[in-house]
Amino acid sequence: GENVEQHPSTLSVQEGDSAVIKCTYSDSASNYFPWYKQELGKRPQLIIDIRSNVGEKKDQRIAVTLNKTAKHFSLHITETQPEDSAVYFCAARSSNDYKLSFGAGTTVTVRA
Amino acid sequence: GAGVSQSPSNKVTEKGKDVELRCDPISGHTALYWYRQSLGQGLEFLIYFQGNSAPDKSGLPSDRFSAERTGGSVSTLTIQRTQQEDSAVYLCASSLRAGGGETQYFGPGTRLLVL
Repeated sequence: GENVEQHPSTLSVQEGDSAVIKCTYSDSASNYFPWYKQELGKRPQLIIDIRSNVGEKKDQRIAVTLNKTAKHFSLHITETQPEDSAVYFCAARSSNDYKLSFGAGTTVTVRA
Repeated sequence: GAGVSQSPSNKVTEKGKDVELRCDPISGHTALYWYRQSLGQGLEFLIYFQGNSAPDKSGLPSDRFSAERTGGSVSTLTIQRTQQEDSAVYLCASSLRAGGGETQYFGPGTRLLVL
């Protein structure tokens, strides 16, 4: 099955700086890669996703890049703000399957 | 509209007891998923339902775990003879349909503590 690894496990950044989280996946048939943000005590919420037919997608301060050859994808948050502090999860779904395989999560802390 | 709801929000039980966790998906969503999130860990897939098809139970950790989805809507996850290692947050998600790039919307979770 699919195996997703996520790094780093924790990330502390100064407000206004950028944050980058990287994930790798194992199944070359994976074609859908969502990112979820989970604030303390709340449910995971989708913030951005990318499909395998594109290499990059941007939504305001958030962008995701995908390298299918290397089987890795990354989340980029620019101009970080305190409200960006949360746990971020990457996930991958194979075209042969319906379930998402999640990374272990990255705890992002934005220092004011 | 209403999102995915789960009940109870918290459940404390004694080791060996059975528990039932409920999930109400978004109306019209045909796919429903259960995940488990242990403290400080990622989300572990448990089981998936799509319409009237046989569920994908490949993620259930043991035969003490089972789930049903009645009428293609509400789902119940049952854990029999609970163990302390079952303590976790159990999250339910639903999507309009399975496959492709359908977004999964999560419920608030049920926090289970087995004493």
